[in-house]
Amino acid sequence: SAVISQKPSRDICQRGTSLTIQCQVDSQVTMMFWYRQQPGQSLTLIATANQGSEATYESGFVIDKFPISRPNLTFSTLTVSNMSPEDSSIYLCSADRANTGELFFGEGSRLTVL
Amino acid sequence: AQSVTQLGSHVSVSEGALVLLRCNYSSSVPPYLFWYVQYPNQGLQLLLKYTTGATLVKGINGFEAEFKKSETSFHLTKPSAHMSDAAEYFCAVSERETSGSRLTFGEGTQLTVNP
Repeated sequence: SAVISQKPSRDICQRGTSLTIQCQVDSQVTMMFWYRQQPGQSLTLIATANQGSEATYESGFVIDKFPISRPNLTFSTLTVSNMSPEDSSIYLCSADRANTGELFFGEGSRLTVL
Repeated sequence: AQSVTQLGSHVSVSEGALVLLRCNYSSSVPPYLFWYVQYPNQGLQLLLKYTTGATLVKGINGFEAEFKKSETSFHLTKPSAHMSDAAEYFCAVSERETSGSRLTFGEGTQLTVNP
């Protein structure tokens, strides 16, 4: 299985600021995804991080709010821009190694926006 | 479009009792089905998956699930609950032929194991 490292693991942020979350996979993967898990809720897909091109966003998520980069096959970043308390969530990076359809997840980044 | 419904947001069992967590799915193409477990303050860990072939799949920690196409179900079971099984469990579906590895998750079931 792939090992996925995320940082920061948690942060407390002020309203109106932006935070970038990094995701590093220990091996080359085909697909990388970013999910959000709001308090007490399930996971919602934010976007698919495409290597070398713009991310593919799900309905309700836009690039201006959640810019994503994926410069190579093992690394991606998610920025949460102009944060509000409603953005307080766990953000999880996931990857599908060898295009198996099985996703591996990072430990998540727990954001609290004051 | 794919969707998942988990019946029961909270399930409580006694240690040693049968665990049954229910999952029904909707998919326009043959689905891939997954169960993930999330322990407090941790990420998700794959318990088991169904892709093709045998409909009864066995996973880690003694869990298993059966894919029933006629019932569009993929219920998770374990014959004897252990205290360490207390966690949040998520059922997920992907429509691999049309949307690749994108997973749609159910709302989750919090399993409590009582001594």
